[in-house]
Amino acid sequence: DAGVIQSPRHEVTEMGQEVTLRCKPISGHDYLFWYRQTMMRGLELLIYFNNNVPIDDSGMPEDRFSAKMPNASFSTLKIQPSEPRDSAVYFCASSLVAKTQYFGPGTRLLVL
Amino acid sequence: DAKTTQPPSMDCAEGRAANLPCNHSTISGNEYVYWYRQIHSQGPQYIIHGLKNNETNEMASLIITEDRKSSTLILPHATLRDTAVYYCIVRVADNYGQNFVFGPGTRLSVLP
Repeated sequence: DAGVIQSPRHEVTEMGQEVTLRCKPISGHDYLFWYRQTMMRGLELLIYFNNNVPIDDSGMPEDRFSAKMPNASFSTLKIQPSEPRDSAVYFCASSLVAKTQYFGPGTRLLVL
Repeated sequence: DAKTTQPPSMDCAEGRAANLPCNHSTISGNEYVYWYRQIHSQGPQYIIHGLKNNETNEMASLIITEDRKSSTLILPHATLRDTAVYYCIVRVADNYGQNFVFGPGTRLSVLP
C-alpha cells in the first residue's frame, strides 16, 4: 500500500491567501484525522472523520479553518484567509476502526 | 492533556539497546499503551502497542509492568536511524471520542 498521501509537501503563500491541503487515506480505512504540529504547541488534533462524516472538530482553531471529506479516498483542509501564525506542518492520518493511526508525510506551510 | 510522562531526552550508543521509559499511573483498564516515533521532518510512525502483556515486533519490544502504571520501549540494537522523538500514548483502542494525545515525547539520540 502507498500509505497516506498528502499534497502539496510544501506550500509558501502570502497572508490573506486561501490555502488548500489534500489527503488521500489508506484504502479501506474508515477514520481520517488532521493534525497540526508547531514548535510551541507540539502535535495537535484538529478534526477527525468517520466514514466521511466529521465527528469532532473541537480542535479547529477558528472559522478560517474548514475540512471536508467528499468521499472515502479524499479529504481537504482549507484555510481562508491564511495568517502567518498558521505556519506549521499539517499531518493527515488514517486508521481502521479507530485503532492504530498511520500518518502521512505532512505538508509544510509557510505563510508570509 | 497527555496522560503520560517521559524523560525529555536520552542518549544511546549505536548497537546497544535503547530503553525508553514511560509513566502512565492513571491508566484505565481498557486503555492501551501506544508508541510512535517521529524522525526529523517526517510524519509520526507507529511502532508498537499493548494492553497488559509484553509485546514484540520487528521494530521493538514493549514491556508493561504488572500494575500497568509504567512501560518501557526497547530498541534492541539501536542504529543512527533510530534517532527520533519517541511518543508514549495511552488511549482506548476502540474509541468514539477519545483520540491520540501526543505529549512532548523523548528525544533519543543514538551516538556513533
